[in-house]
Amino acid sequence: KNEVEQSPQNLTAQEGEFITINCSYSVGISALHWLQQHPGGGIVSLFMLSSGKKKHGRLIATINIQEKHSSLHITASHPRDSAVYICAVRSNFGNEKLTFGTGTRLTIIP
Amino acid sequence: DTAVSQTPKYLVTQMGNDKSIKCEQNLGHDTMYWYKQDSKKFLKIMFSYNNKELIINETVPNRFSPKSPDKAHLNLHINSLELGDSAVYFCASSFRDRGTDTQYFGPGTRLTVL
Repeated sequence: KNEVEQSPQNLTAQEGEFITINCSYSVGISALHWLQQHPGGGIVSLFMLSSGKKKHGRLIATINIQEKHSSLHITASHPRDSAVYICAVRSNFGNEKLTFGTGTRLTIIP
Repeated sequence: DTAVSQTPKYLVTQMGNDKSIKCEQNLGHDTMYWYKQDSKKFLKIMFSYNNKELIINETVPNRFSPKSPDKAHLNLHINSLELGDSAVYFCASSFRDRGTDTQYFGPGTRLTVL
């Protein structure tokens, strides 16, 4: 079992729908990252959070430290949001490496 | 203007060869990383350097040797390439010592070993 689990693995939705991607982890963390990998392969950091909620444009990320769970929401989804969304956690002990989830492939249909 | 750059973007080589991938960042970051993304798109940390010192060295074969000549550069040298080394290798950088740790990724180097 991975230390970081994402669901769903694949998600297809119509343009305009509200999207939720979930991330659960099993280790103590100092921070959680959400990344976006474009179809062309490039990786962009969307959020880094250690508590509460962050918002950037149509993207919202929340984290519940007690439940070891984070969600990434996309409002008014658009075909350009189609990408793989990756959750990664930084452990709060040892060498503090990032451990990645397996990603959620999102496809938004016009 | 590129923040984190990698060269080459594509690398096709024969088994047994030695090859290097270079990474440079112009963001003034203090920490750089090498990640490997396998065919199933799973990302895994390989190495990390903070101010030119190795701080993360995951279970990676000795054939892989990172080198950081200065804070802006982190190169990856691979000896005796094997088929299983085929993957996309991403370099990244961040301000680890400032605690923000948002990582900026390079475009990736797709390595194919024949």
